[in-house]
Formats: sequence, C-alpha cells, structure tokens
Amino acid sequence: EVQLVESGGGLVQPGGSLRLSCAASGFTFSYYAIHWVRQAPGKGLEYVSVISSNGGSTYYANSVKGRFTISRDNSKNTVYLQMGSLGAEDMAVYYCARQRGIYPAITFDIWGQGTTVTVSS
Amino acid sequence: AIQLTQSPSSLSASVGDRVTITCRASQGISSALAWYQQKPGKAPKLLIYDASSLESGVPSRFSGSGSGTDFTLTISSLQPEDFATYYCQQFNGYPITFGQGTRLEVK
Repeated sequence: EVQLVESGGGLVQPGGSLRLSCAASGFTFSYYAIHWVRQAPGKGLEYVSVISSNGGSTYYANSVKGRFTISRDNSKNTVYLQMGSLGAEDMAVYYCARQRGIYPAITFDIWGQGTTVTVSS
Repeated sequence: AIQLTQSPSSLSASVGDRVTITCRASQGISSALAWYQQKPGKAPKLLIYDASSLESGVPSRFSGSGSGTDFTLTISSLQPEDFATYYCQQFNGYPITFGQGTRLEVK
C-alpha cells in the first residue's frame, strides 16, 4: 500500500524544538519530492516546506524560514522537519504529502494522516 | 504570493443538489490548480488536478474547470459522503497557496 506516516508530534514549550518524521512505503521514495503542510485548529491549510527527490533543493514558507529545516534520508525512506523557536502560531496538525508530476504541473496525490504539534507551557 | 479566494465560504445543500464552488486567483496561474476534499480529523484528499483532470478513483460527479484566474469545482449530484470542506490549491509559483476553504453542509 502506498502511504506516508508522520510521527514526532507532541507537546513542546514555547521556544522549544521538535523533529517530525514522514516515513514512506509502497513506492520508490527517492523519485518523489515531499512537502509539509500544516493546519492550525479550526483553520485552513498552510503550506510549509518542500524537499526535492534527491534532497538538493528545499523551500520554506516565510512564516518558518530560519526556524525550520527539512531533510531526507532516502536509505530510510524518511523525510524530517526539524522545528525550532516554536511559538503558538506553530501549533497545528502537520501533514506530509507526496508530489506527483513536474513543476508547474504538480499535485499532492498522497497525504499522511498528520501529526499534532501543541505549543504550551 | 498568489492569493486564492474561494466562494462561498460555506454552503448549505441537500442530497441530489448540483453544487458549484469558485476559486479566484490574484494573478494568472494557467491551469496549475487542484481541488481537495477534507473531512473532519482526516487528511485532504485529491479530487481534481491540472484544473480539470479527475483523479483516479474519484467519482465522476466531481468536475473542475477554468484557467487563468477563475476556476470552479462542480458536484453534479450531491451524495451524503460529499459533505466536507473543499480547498483549492495553486502550483504556479512558490509559495504554494491554498484557498481559505468552502464548508459544504447539510441543509
């Protein structure tokens, strides 16, 4: 079965750090770029970051630039999102998603179930 | 950043109704637009890509149209499982952006 499974979410204090993981199975992971999208409680979807298939290119939304780092280990079929200087505005469900196609004809065809990040003292 | 504005923000409809949701981009994006369905507590599900291509496995009552700045998602005959929130998403440039969502509720 083609799937993405996020993990690593939890409760963190303001200013703290957390690392999320997105583990893939059922497809050739090294062929695909992977994106992160988040959703604050009761809110819409917000784009966070992307890493290319070989890890050579990354992009970050302005809201997380300088605080978050995306990386991948193709030998482990896993993408990571290292998050730092966390604040209330980062509290959300974080989804990873597989990119299908080549820019600009891309889409997110497979999504994980999400992992919840709570920022509170 | 390219802004996407969906209308309406919420919509009440009945089973069997024909429903149309609109997504307007702040600048032209060709056909680089997708539509997703999200149910409470679940991840978004891809419905339409490239503005009008139906994703495999998605019922044919869903259709998309448009190019440039104006796009529509149409559900030809609402089914009980279609009550959810719908988002458009553009890929024409980074940052990738989403519309604010349209909540489709039972009348």
